[in-house]
Amino acid sequence: SSELTQDPAVSVALGQTVRITCQGDSLRTYYASWYQQKPGQAPVLVIYRKTNRPSGIPDRFSGSSSGNTASLTITGAQAEDEADYYCNSRDSSGNHRVFGGGTKLTVL
Amino acid sequence: EVQLVESGGGLVQPGGSLRLACAASGFTFSSYEMHWVRQAPGKGLEWVSYISSSGRTIYNADSVKGRFTISRDNAKNSLYLQMNSLRAEDTAVYYCARDGSIVGADDAFDIWGQGTMVIVSS
Repeated sequence: SSELTQDPAVSVALGQTVRITCQGDSLRTYYASWYQQKPGQAPVLVIYRKTNRPSGIPDRFSGSSSGNTASLTITGAQAEDEADYYCNSRDSSGNHRVFGGGTKLTVL
Repeated sequence: EVQLVESGGGLVQPGGSLRLACAASGFTFSSYEMHWVRQAPGKGLEWVSYISSSGRTIYNADSVKGRFTISRDNAKNSLYLQMNSLRAEDTAVYYCARDGSIVGADDAFDIWGQGTMVIVSS
């Protein structure tokens, strides 16, 4: 079983705000990163070091972290944001990486 | 253009072997830590292996320990995954991914290849 826990599915109305969460004890110590994956495509990094956005990622994507929970927030969700989202961090040993189970985001 | 291109996937029988390759271009490959990540059909992402920039440090997921070996050839800008004793549950798309730590994206996979499919079946 994954050491990072995500809700399997979340939905949001077009233009509204949605938060996707990731829980795990290792998040108290290590950075979280977030990935967007659309069907048939490779994952794309959208947030790193808990809150930073790579160049080219829209500013409606933001990250935050508190205690054992990391969050990805999409402010003003667009139809093109419909995708699977995965969090990632290190495991408790610090040597291995671990992904959350993924959250399927539906934009209504 | 920064790019990772995987190759070597295919159909293999249970117990067989396969060697995946990942060709890097557009960046100084020898400076970056690298990973393999896989995704079984219809399932989530699973981290598989890590290798340091020099190749001296390696970590593997428990699910592949003793069966898979990650390696690299910095002179050829290439990453490899030797997969032995393959099982049906190893069926997945295998991605190589760059670790962005040296460019500030600590612990993140900042560049991904397009993936190569491995099917383990008789």
